[in-house]
Amino acid sequence: EDQVTQSPEALRLQEGESSSLNCSYTVSGLRGLFWYRQDPGKGPEFLFTLYSAGEEKEKERLKATLTKKESFLHITAPKPEDSATYLCAVQSVGAQKLVFGQGTRLTINP
Amino acid sequence: GAVVSQHPSRVICKSGTSVKIECRSLDFQATTMFWYRQFPKQSLMLMATSNEGSKATYEQGVEKDKFLINHASLTLSTLTVTSAHPEDSSFYICSARSSGGEEQFFGPGTRLTVL
Repeated sequence: EDQVTQSPEALRLQEGESSSLNCSYTVSGLRGLFWYRQDPGKGPEFLFTLYSAGEEKEKERLKATLTKKESFLHITAPKPEDSATYLCAVQSVGAQKLVFGQGTRLTINP
Repeated sequence: GAVVSQHPSRVICKSGTSVKIECRSLDFQATTMFWYRQFPKQSLMLMATSNEGSKATYEQGVEKDKFLINHASLTLSTLTVTSAHPEDSSFYICSARSSGGEEQFFGPGTRLTVL
């Protein structure tokens, strides 16, 4: 059974304090790993898709990386507007659905 | 691009009534749509997967006679909560994926409150 575990559950940072969020996964065969951002009361917003170990993608202050067992979402010099819940999900080969982790609630204090 | 809308954004209804939620892909054709439910401070729980023109596939524990899903066109899927009860109150979110794409794009969600 595919599983996704995200850590930490919650993270508070000061503005400008860089850090990383972790997503550990087990799948029979990885088709893709996805990162989403979700603001309170809204649907998830797509950030990145990673397909193979060693792949990296960047968007503004965010960079996602992938190994065979985990993915990291690095946030550099965050701003208060980066505060949100970040969700990681995996899709296995032959499956249509995503399996989501529980998310990391990120708070950036000014 | 890749915009998904949901209507209504909020609905309040009396116990025993039925509520229909629409999910539309505005700028792409969605061969597959997904319906999720989310409780406060929890992650998304997949309810069902629907492919255009086919019957929906429901996750274990989801009552298909209570949560009716129709995916009659490549841009529209509907979720009908039949005979709603207070325990059905939740945040319902749809997502859509095109035939050539891997990513799921999510709608803004619908907050259902059953009195």
